[in-house]
Amino acid sequence: GAGVSQSPSNKVTEKGKDVELRCDPISGHTALYWYRQSLGQGLEFLIYFQGNSAPDKSGLPSDRFSAERTGGSVSTLTIQRTQQEDSAVYLCASSLGRGPYNSPLHFGNGTRLTVT
Amino acid sequence: SQQGEEDPQALSIQEGENATMNCSYKTSINNLQWYRQNSGRGLVHLILIRSNEREKHSGRLRVTLDTSKKSSSLLITASRAADTASYFCATVNTDKLIFGTGTRLQVFP
Repeated sequence: GAGVSQSPSNKVTEKGKDVELRCDPISGHTALYWYRQSLGQGLEFLIYFQGNSAPDKSGLPSDRFSAERTGGSVSTLTIQRTQQEDSAVYLCASSLGRGPYNSPLHFGNGTRLTVT
Repeated sequence: SQQGEEDPQALSIQEGENATMNCSYKTSINNLQWYRQNSGRGLVHLILIRSNEREKHSGRLRVTLDTSKKSSSLLITASRAADTASYFCATVNTDKLIFGTGTRLQVFP
């Protein structure tokens, strides 16, 4: 079946512009995560959605970052007034049930963001 | 924040050899998971081991967990060039999966 889909796959933007990154999770997956991965580094947790509960935003690095999940499905990560340090690969993942306690995460291929 | 630390950071071996990667973590866990990431791609789940399990196998993969030492190891036997990738351990922390820094494995044909 279809996996997690992210768009765009690559995004180049100028410093100061806003960007929106989209994630289509696997149908039926109630948990959705956003991570950031800088070049050659591990994954940095950003935000977690579980069903209709309030999202866990504890990983968002600044108030320039926000995310929403409409109808419990598609999610959009928005970065306002982008900075060069925002350059990274942004990965989305989804899973069944109560996230990673019982189910593995399924990742998209990411959006590579470059801020010039 | 990162919960796990993998060791070594990089590993180069010849095809047919075994590869062992270690992961240490800091807090108590519900389960520990290993993922693989090919260059330019997302992560792929390999194996999940629960806190009450000590060893688990999946094909050429063998994972051990020692909760008293807060450590896990991933063994890939009879490695192949296609195993070249980065490998990450991850632990659950308040509904979030927190990843380690990864081991970059290079398998030479």
